[in-house]
Amino acid sequence: NAGVTQTPKFQVLKTGQSMTLQCAQDMNHEYMSWYRQDPGMGLRLIHYSVGAGITDQGEVPNGYNVSRSTTEDFPLRLLSAAPSQTSVYFCASSSQGDQPQHFGDGTRLSIL
Amino acid sequence: KNEVEQSPQNLTAQEGEFITINCSYSVGISALHWLQQHPGGGIVSLFMLSSGKKKHGRLIATINIQEKHSSLHITASHPRDSAVYICAVVRGLNDMRFGAGTRLTVKP
Repeated sequence: NAGVTQTPKFQVLKTGQSMTLQCAQDMNHEYMSWYRQDPGMGLRLIHYSVGAGITDQGEVPNGYNVSRSTTEDFPLRLLSAAPSQTSVYFCASSSQGDQPQHFGDGTRLSIL
Repeated sequence: KNEVEQSPQNLTAQEGEFITINCSYSVGISALHWLQQHPGGGIVSLFMLSSGKKKHGRLIATINIQEKHSSLHITASHPRDSAVYICAVVRGLNDMRFGAGTRLTVKP
């Protein structure tokens, strides 16, 4: 099993560009989440989903968009990239919110 | 004030020592997670707790819901245990909030 797959692993963008970070899981998990990790800040929840068609905002949602059209995929869209969005992004999934989370390997994003 | 506080921030131990990392939280939760982040960046779930105590190998996690406190213990620590240990709480369905992490270094 691949588990949680994130692509790309690395990306450099210019301010104002848009892009989509991909996240796919093959465990039939209903719950999926996006986090960002910044030095000295720890992990912070951006958006989460509790099933196909259902998404909700986390702690730091501004500047990001998500949708969940299938159980497997949960893409994260940066609408107009800003230097403040330079971070490492992690996607995670679980069968329920109070079950162990499975993390992807992360996407390191730099915005110039 | 952060909703999830971990202590210590940094911890250096000699191989074989017993290690304790603490986590306190200030909100109502449905569950608490302990995560391990390797030096390469990957994150692994160690435990998910809603009450009591869990043990896996040399790792033990406890939670006291009334006191809003959890501890992660490592017995007979080893250099391969060197990592960042992160406490996270689940609010509601899937709203997770994280502590800043404890960086553990175990010296041979």
